[in-house]
Amino acid sequence: GAVVSQHPSWVICKSGTSVKIECRSLDFQATTMFWYRQFPKQSLMLMATSNEGSKATYEQGVEKDKFLINHASLTLSTLTVTSAHPEDSSFYICSAIRGQSRNEKLFFGSGTQLSVL
Amino acid sequence: AQSVAQPEDQVNVAEGNPLTVKCTYSVSGNPYLFWYVQYPNRGLQFLLKYITGDNLVKGSYGFEAEFNKSQTSFHLKKPSALVSDSALYFCAVRERTSNTGKLIFGQGTTLQVKP
Repeated sequence: GAVVSQHPSWVICKSGTSVKIECRSLDFQATTMFWYRQFPKQSLMLMATSNEGSKATYEQGVEKDKFLINHASLTLSTLTVTSAHPEDSSFYICSAIRGQSRNEKLFFGSGTQLSVL
Repeated sequence: AQSVAQPEDQVNVAEGNPLTVKCTYSVSGNPYLFWYVQYPNRGLQFLLKYITGDNLVKGSYGFEAEFNKSQTSFHLKKPSALVSDSALYFCAVRERTSNTGKLIFGQGTTLQVKP
């Protein structure tokens, strides 16, 4: 089956540093990927839609300068949390779309637990 | 506003008993409907989806879901629960006319199956 790889699975960083999270579709090309944020025992909050070769579309209330998204190829999207602060600590999950219309299917990465000290 | 509601934060069932995890939605048109499962510190795994046709959809791990248009519901069911089914379950919808593939998730329901 289709696999989406997300790396790293966990990261601890100091306040003020930047952290990059990678999301790769391993056996299919994904023109569209999504980035979510999840707090403990809560739902996924869509942060942005990552489009290959163009700017990401951010959801309302998400700072685009804080959460930089780059989708430079059909198999890789990256999320960079810039100048991270403790309130950015969260579980971040990416997903990628395979196929189109009725055959469209969404595959999720395994998530990245970010802890900012 | 478009929304998905999972009215129960947690559902507790005994192993071997049937389980139901509820989901209702408020989305324009006839959306695609999904169920996902999440194990601790993991991403989401696809269980099943409804596009059209038979209102009873069968999915992975013995789960099924029943689409009810008049009640705008898509409840997840399993005839006989296993302890290993204990996890966090998310209902999600996508507008049929959407070209972005964006899903709207419910808040999640924790399923606890006790031996």
